[in-house]
Amino acid sequence: GENVEQHPSTLSVQEGDSAVIKCTYSDSASNYFPWYKQELGKRPQLIIDIRSNVGEKKDQRIAVTLNKTAKHFSLHITETQPEDSAVYFCAAQKGLNTGTASKLTFGTGTRLQVTL
Amino acid sequence: GAVVSQHPSWVICKSGTSVKIECRSLDFQATTMFWYRQFPKQSLMLMATSNEGSKATYEQGVEKDKFLINHASLTLSTLTVTSAHPEDSSFYICSARTINEQFFGPGTRLTVL
Repeated sequence: GENVEQHPSTLSVQEGDSAVIKCTYSDSASNYFPWYKQELGKRPQLIIDIRSNVGEKKDQRIAVTLNKTAKHFSLHITETQPEDSAVYFCAAQKGLNTGTASKLTFGTGTRLQVTL
Repeated sequence: GAVVSQHPSWVICKSGTSVKIECRSLDFQATTMFWYRQFPKQSLMLMATSNEGSKATYEQGVEKDKFLINHASLTLSTLTVTSAHPEDSSFYICSARTINEQFFGPGTRLTVL
């Protein structure tokens, strides 16, 4: 089955700096890669996603890049703010939009701390 | 986006009792729902995949007789933790999937004394 690795496990940045979180996946058939932000005691919230036919996607301060050949994808947060502090999870899935999608496989999470 | 609700949001029970958690998709029909368990400072671990009208598919290591899942309609799935023990204390999160996205419930914090 799919295996997703995520690094780093913790990341501390100063407000205004950029943060980068990296994930690798094992199943070349995976074609959907979402990123979730989870605050303490809350549900995971989708912040951005990318599909395998795209190499990069950006939404304001958040961007995701995908390298299918190397089977890795990264989350980039620019101009970090204290409210960005949370745990971030990457995930991988195959078969989305086909009606026979596989389960989401999550990374181990990155605890991001944005300090003043 | 679509809304998924869970009830209760938290529950405290005595060891040996059973607890039922409900997961509802409020504004869409979900043929597939998922149940996750999340221990402190850990990732979401999939427990089972629930398809409407059929038996749930459990992940390896998850006891199907202990974690009973019923997906009786396109908008409701339930997870019953039977004979709960302190090691079952965790954050349980459901999610419901449309054809192109998965939506998570707010989670249920279970504490077994």
